[in-house]
Amino acid sequence: DAKTTQPTSMDCAEGRAANLPCNHSTISGNEYVYWYRQIHSQGPQYIIHGLKNNETNEMASLIITEDRKSSTLILPHATLRDTAVYYCIVRVAMRGAQKLVFGQGTRLTINP
Amino acid sequence: DTGVSQNPRHKITKRGQNVTFRCDPISEHNRLYWYRQTLGQGPEFLTYFQNEAQLEKSRLLSDRFSAERPKGSFSTLEIQRTEQGDSAMYLCASSATGSNYGYTFGSGTRLTVV
Repeated sequence: DAKTTQPTSMDCAEGRAANLPCNHSTISGNEYVYWYRQIHSQGPQYIIHGLKNNETNEMASLIITEDRKSSTLILPHATLRDTAVYYCIVRVAMRGAQKLVFGQGTRLTINP
Repeated sequence: DTGVSQNPRHKITKRGQNVTFRCDPISEHNRLYWYRQTLGQGPEFLTYFQNEAQLEKSRLLSDRFSAERPKGSFSTLEIQRTEQGDSAMYLCASSATGSNYGYTFGSGTRLTVV
């Protein structure tokens, strides 16, 4: 019951900006968009999250469209270590909390 | 506190044996989650604890699976009578009530059933 769709794979040249799109057309008004990434054989790592406004931190920027139906994660200067699977997630409500429901993600390959 | 710790990192077991995994969350986090991840797939939610109470269980969690968090700190996940289909990475995560910063995941326990 993942609420997001992402391309299966993308490539980007080292040093360039990597732009990863995500569609979440059924998102509700108070639901956040989260991005995680998973490097081979490690647990998922939190990158960034947002509700309506664009967000930036030391890892990435998140651009959310005005209608909130899609977003883009931007890695401004991709390095080889950014090669990973990137997951765009909208949390799903459950008793007492909200859970992260992962889709298949986008496999991003940074090429030298 | 260095994050979410999971032990063991790898476990190989024979079909039919019981296995137990342990997760130590970040100390100030009262919420704890278990996920399972098979090759090429995203992590799938298994169960969730708030303090010591198990509040949500996925239908993926068959009768052979049981999770506990007896004192609201560490948690264990036991699989009885393991089957080859149980081979997967088992991930634990924790979070704090009221935080919007998502979960912090451990590095997982990779189970291989032979």
